[in-house]
Amino acid sequence: SQQGEEDPQALSIQEGENATMNCSYKTSINNLQWYRQNSGRGLVHLILIRSNEREKHSGRLRVTLDTSKKSSSLLITASRAADTASYFCATDATKAGNNRKLIWGLGTSLAVNP
Amino acid sequence: SQTIHQWPATLVQPVGSPLSLECTVEGTSNPNLYWYRQAAGRGLQLLFYSVGIGQISSEVPQNLSASRPQDRQFILSSKKLLLSDSGFYLCAWSRDRGHKGYTFGSGTRLTVV
Repeated sequence: SQQGEEDPQALSIQEGENATMNCSYKTSINNLQWYRQNSGRGLVHLILIRSNEREKHSGRLRVTLDTSKKSSSLLITASRAADTASYFCATDATKAGNNRKLIWGLGTSLAVNP
Repeated sequence: SQTIHQWPATLVQPVGSPLSLECTVEGTSNPNLYWYRQAAGRGLQLLFYSVGIGQISSEVPQNLSASRPQDRQFILSSKKLLLSDSGFYLCAWSRDRGHKGYTFGSGTRLTVV
């Protein structure tokens, strides 16, 4: 079953603007991960934030995690046309002793217009 | 560095024909391996995962099977394809049970006609 739910489902912005995508989940997690997928390609791991972390940065990416609200956000600053892609969140909610599996959201489709 | 290879990139197969998609990982040992399917405009559905040679866990009952004959080789198969098997198939691997994220292959677009 899907745990992560991203919103918005689609986002269209102009180059240079910031893009914010949100992800909500339902159960306690070990970590939450964000991935990018260009059309017709595989997914690329962007950033992982652990349940005891509240914010993480990587280049123009900023991820926050609020475990009390069971939500995360991905901020892309100063967007570029090359950021056009679908963005997925995935949660690792594995209990101790079980094999880890990620639970995926349905993704946010981001279009950055030149 | 670790790399993952998945082929073919596209495949058109008639209904009832067999399927074999192969995925190999280089530069690491004992990876966790995964097969996902992604329907158009949808999220990822985990089909199979493997934590070692010959160890396959199936997530969804379906017309597909998986095998891991070697440590870094993961194969997705079907004896008779259905129209509903069409989709985008992705192989992925992880270390330490995914603590550092998954690495995906480039995907196979399968169209069953």
